[in-house]
Amino acid sequence: GENVEQHPSTLSVQEGDSAVIKCTYSDSASNYFPWYKQELGKRPQLIIDIRSNVGEKKDQRIAVTLNKTAKHFSLHITETQPEDSAVYFCAASSKNTGFQKLVFGTGTRLLVSP
Amino acid sequence: SQTIHQWPATLVQPVGSPLSLECTVEGTSNPNLYWYRQAAGRGLQLLFYSIGIDQISSEVPQNLSASRPQDRQFILSSKKLLLSDSGFYLCAWSAGTDYNSPLHFGNGTRLTVT
Repeated sequence: GENVEQHPSTLSVQEGDSAVIKCTYSDSASNYFPWYKQELGKRPQLIIDIRSNVGEKKDQRIAVTLNKTAKHFSLHITETQPEDSAVYFCAASSKNTGFQKLVFGTGTRLLVSP
Repeated sequence: SQTIHQWPATLVQPVGSPLSLECTVEGTSNPNLYWYRQAAGRGLQLLFYSIGIDQISSEVPQNLSASRPQDRQFILSSKKLLLSDSGFYLCAWSAGTDYNSPLHFGNGTRLTVT
């Protein structure tokens, strides 16, 4: 089955700096890669996703890149702000006999200091 | 628009007591439904998923069970809780017809087994 590894586990940056979180996946059939942000005590919320026919996607200060050959994808946050502080999860998914199964990474705790 | 409701928000139960957590989805038909568990400071572990009424698949052997008596209702149960069942339980849904659609999470239930 799919295995997703995520690094780093914690990341501290100064406000205004960029932050990069990296994930690798094992199943070459995976074709959907979402990123979730989870604030303390709250539910994970989708912030951006990318499909395997696209190499890069950007939404304001957030971008995701995908390298299918190397089986890794990354989240880039530019001009970080204190409200970006949260745990970020990557995930990978492939169709499995009519069911879409997302496998999550272990999460990255991002701390943005003012 | 689609909404997902999950209750209760918090629950404290003694070891050996039963459990019932409920989740309902509105504004969509035939969704895929999921139960995830998140231990404190940890990642998201898929417990059960369902692609239709009375169609439940279990991802990990455990003390829990799930049922889907109606298209948009998903229930997580246990006959006798263990200390290790403590955690943050998240219900989620995805579009049943789109294999590359994101998961949408409920607000979660924080379960403490004492």
